[in-house]
Amino acid sequence: SQQGEEDPQALSIQEGENATMNCSYKTSINNLQWYRQNSGRGLVHLILIRSNEREKHSGRLRVTLDTSKKSSSLLITASRAADTASYFCATDAPNTGGFKTIFGAGTRLFVKA
Amino acid sequence: GAGVSQTPSNKVTEKGKYVELRCDPISGHTALYWYRQSLGQGPEFLIYFQGTGAADDSGLPNDRFFAVRPEGSVSTLKIQRTERGDSAVYLCASSPTGGIAGSSYNEQFFGPGTRLTVL
Repeated sequence: SQQGEEDPQALSIQEGENATMNCSYKTSINNLQWYRQNSGRGLVHLILIRSNEREKHSGRLRVTLDTSKKSSSLLITASRAADTASYFCATDAPNTGGFKTIFGAGTRLFVKA
Repeated sequence: GAGVSQTPSNKVTEKGKYVELRCDPISGHTALYWYRQSLGQGPEFLIYFQGTGAADDSGLPNDRFFAVRPEGSVSTLKIQRTERGDSAVYLCASSPTGGIAGSSYNEQFFGPGTRLTVL
């Protein structure tokens, strides 16, 4: 089963535009993470946001978390062709001590040069 | 330093055969995870080791799947009597320690995966 669900399933934008991806989850969490996966580098951890945080930045990435709505968003600003990849949100499964990670189905982002 | 490595990178087998997939974690990482990823889906948790012991194997789909980590480093995922539905990419990840709610989280580092095809 997958706890996180990303929206949209696929997104196509022009280089330089911003890309926003959303994630919804079902149960309470301790942490939410975003990962990127492309054929060249495999699955790579991007950013983690804790349940008591509302917003976090890392370079061109901005993540928000709304625990009341059980949702998170990932914003990539000034996108580049190299950002083309699948993006997954992942949450810690409930009552597992925080080590069991449940991934969503992902958003496929295509950035056109 | 070296990242997580997985061998083989590709494995083609026939239905009913036995396969072993190997994972070499980052040196010193105590936690090791196995995931399975089907086309168009996110990774699906299978099993998690802390040291030599399987701390959580609730994601293993059935008793045809088994994983070991006898010395707390290299791990082998074993699949008996393979079925066509087992075809997927099997990912391994490691982290310095397992995550503990409320404490510092340890990021998981993923290997490139083994693509298993069951004919």
